[in-house]
Amino acid sequence: KQEVTQIPAALSVPEGENLVLNCSFTDSAIYNLQWFRQDPGKGLTSLLLIQSSQREQTSGRLNASLDKSSGRSTLYIAASQPGDSATYLCAVPGAGSYQLTFGKGTKLSVIP
Amino acid sequence: GAVVSQHPSWVICKSGTSVKIECRSLDFQATTMFWYRQFPKQSLMLMATSNEGSKATYEQGVEKDKFLINHASLTLSTLTVTSAHPEDSSFYICSGHLAGGTDTQYFGPGTRLTVL
Repeated sequence: KQEVTQIPAALSVPEGENLVLNCSFTDSAIYNLQWFRQDPGKGLTSLLLIQSSQREQTSGRLNASLDKSSGRSTLYIAASQPGDSATYLCAVPGAGSYQLTFGKGTKLSVIP
Repeated sequence: GAVVSQHPSWVICKSGTSVKIECRSLDFQATTMFWYRQFPKQSLMLMATSNEGSKATYEQGVEKDKFLINHASLTLSTLTVTSAHPEDSSFYICSGHLAGGTDTQYFGPGTRLTVL
């Protein structure tokens, strides 16, 4: 059974700092990995999706990397802003299905 | 991008009553929709997979007679919590699967259910 772990559970940084969020998964037979953002009491916003054939994806100040063989992904946020404060979730689909297994998320607070 | 809506966004009901939550894909056809439940400070847990025109597939531990799912069209799936109890209070989120391309799931904004 796939398990997804995110470290740290919470992170507080001053505005402007670069930061890295980590995600690990136990079953490396995935075909993609997705990072989401969730604001309190809200649904999920997809940030980046990395196919298994890719090593990284970039969108603005966000860069996500994927190392399937080691079962790890990182989300790099450059020049953090208070508006980046949210919970960040990573998720991977199950083998042969579209069902997603989520990590518990990293709650990010960017202090002005 | 593709948009998924949920209605209502929040609902409070008395114990023993039933509550229906709607999930709509507004600008795409979702042959598959997923229903998740999220407890406070926990991650999303998949409850069931809903395929248009067929019975939903429930995850282990999810009572199909309590959580009724109907996926009558390519743009609408409903989740009915029957005989709700306080322990059913949670945040329910649906997603629609957009086949092809990146096989992305698009998530609704969620429904906060509080059972008194």
